[in-house]
Amino acid sequence: DAKTTQPPSMDCAEGRAANLPCNHSTISGNEYVYWYRQIHSQGPQYIIHGLKNNETNEMASLIITEDRKSSTLILPHATLRDTAVYYCIVRVDFVNEKLTFGTGTRLTIIP
Amino acid sequence: SAVISQKPSRDICQRGTSLTIQCQVDSQVTMMFWYRQQPGQSLTLIATANQGSEATYESGFVIDKFPISRPNLTFSTLTVSNMSPEDSSIYLCSVELRQETQYFGPGTRLLVL
Repeated sequence: DAKTTQPPSMDCAEGRAANLPCNHSTISGNEYVYWYRQIHSQGPQYIIHGLKNNETNEMASLIITEDRKSSTLILPHATLRDTAVYYCIVRVDFVNEKLTFGTGTRLTIIP
Repeated sequence: SAVISQKPSRDICQRGTSLTIQCQVDSQVTMMFWYRQQPGQSLTLIATANQGSEATYESGFVIDKFPISRPNLTFSTLTVSNMSPEDSSIYLCSVELRQETQYFGPGTRLLVL
């Protein structure tokens, strides 16, 4: 699997949009970009994933660059409950393919 | 999404003993995954467990240390054998309920003294 690079930590003011970047310059054509988060040592929570088009769901938006070498997870209106470690993962599109976690970004929402 | 439970939620064990962790899912799933998260670290995959066959272990993990059972499509166990303080971690199971999305259990927090 391709590796990802994320900043180790970020702060964001409550109510503002949190933009979390991820570099995946060696991503292959059949690899998706996934985002998970882990709140205070709970089990990781799936957020969103995409291949090449931008995606949006009730939790977040995922923006993938045209060359697919980087992406940004956007939490549109961050709340204190969004404080967590966010993991960007690339994974081939096979059923039951494993997830390889990197070190993630620790996002702190500031009141 | 899947409802995944793990037992025990936490435990404190003496070195040299073994602990069996249970993972129960509310839906039938083909594959179950077991991860370890050491203190302050990210998640590392231990093995994948397919019903009816032996688990597949990642590099650095062996069956004698982490035996896994998968008796049916909704249940799996991971045993941490002959524990040492280095085994103190959070152990998590996950499943892929629908294509491309994995869901995680709440984790089992293990402290080995």
